[in-house]
Amino acid sequence: DAGITQSPRHKVTETGTPVTLRCHQTENHRYMYWYRQDPGHGLRLIHYSYGVKDTDKGEVSDGYSVSRSKTEDFLLTLESATSSQTSVYFCAISDRYEQYFGPGTRLTVT
Amino acid sequence: AQSVTQLGSHVSVSEGALVLLRCNYSSSVPPYLFWYVQYPNQGLQLLLKYTTGATLVKGINGFEAEFKKSETSFHLTKPSAHMSDAAEYFCAVSLTNDYKLSFGAGTTVTVRA
Repeated sequence: DAGITQSPRHKVTETGTPVTLRCHQTENHRYMYWYRQDPGHGLRLIHYSYGVKDTDKGEVSDGYSVSRSKTEDFLLTLESATSSQTSVYFCAISDRYEQYFGPGTRLTVT
Repeated sequence: AQSVTQLGSHVSVSEGALVLLRCNYSSSVPPYLFWYVQYPNQGLQLLLKYTTGATLVKGINGFEAEFKKSETSFHLTKPSAHMSDAAEYFCAVSLTNDYKLSFGAGTTVTVRA
């Protein structure tokens, strides 16, 4: 398995609070991605990174920001959590086209 | 722009029967194509991929898929279902000049004893 960890694995938070999810890789892959998974929607790309400090928006980026200060870490921040952001969040890494996924973080916003 | 359509959100098969999961895509350029599997409470695992070359590709756990450009399809098959194949399956597409993936909505497979 690719060396990808996500933390925390589960989190419950209240509406309006900021939340940061962490993705850590040990594979030295250039590209990193954040997705959210919701029933009936598959996985939708939130943000991605193509290098340290190089990031770009995906299709559902509103309300989310990211940072990548080191190759191995990619942080996803919900600036002010809303109930619509209750979801399972997956991090993925790649060198080219194949993406490898982390175990996911289940986030509940109450 | 690209999009991925998986026909059927749920498929139920008997153990030992053929598994057929359908995937169609729309893309303005030749795509790279992938199938991923997700077991309950886990991340996604790559089953197989098509990039270039042979259009029939074999993956893990006895699965295979065929790229048909004329039909813009990449259907996934397994000749004989096993109970361990119960999972959710996702088709995904990437453009040849873009490393981002677009996913279908997923197909949940249940296997009846």
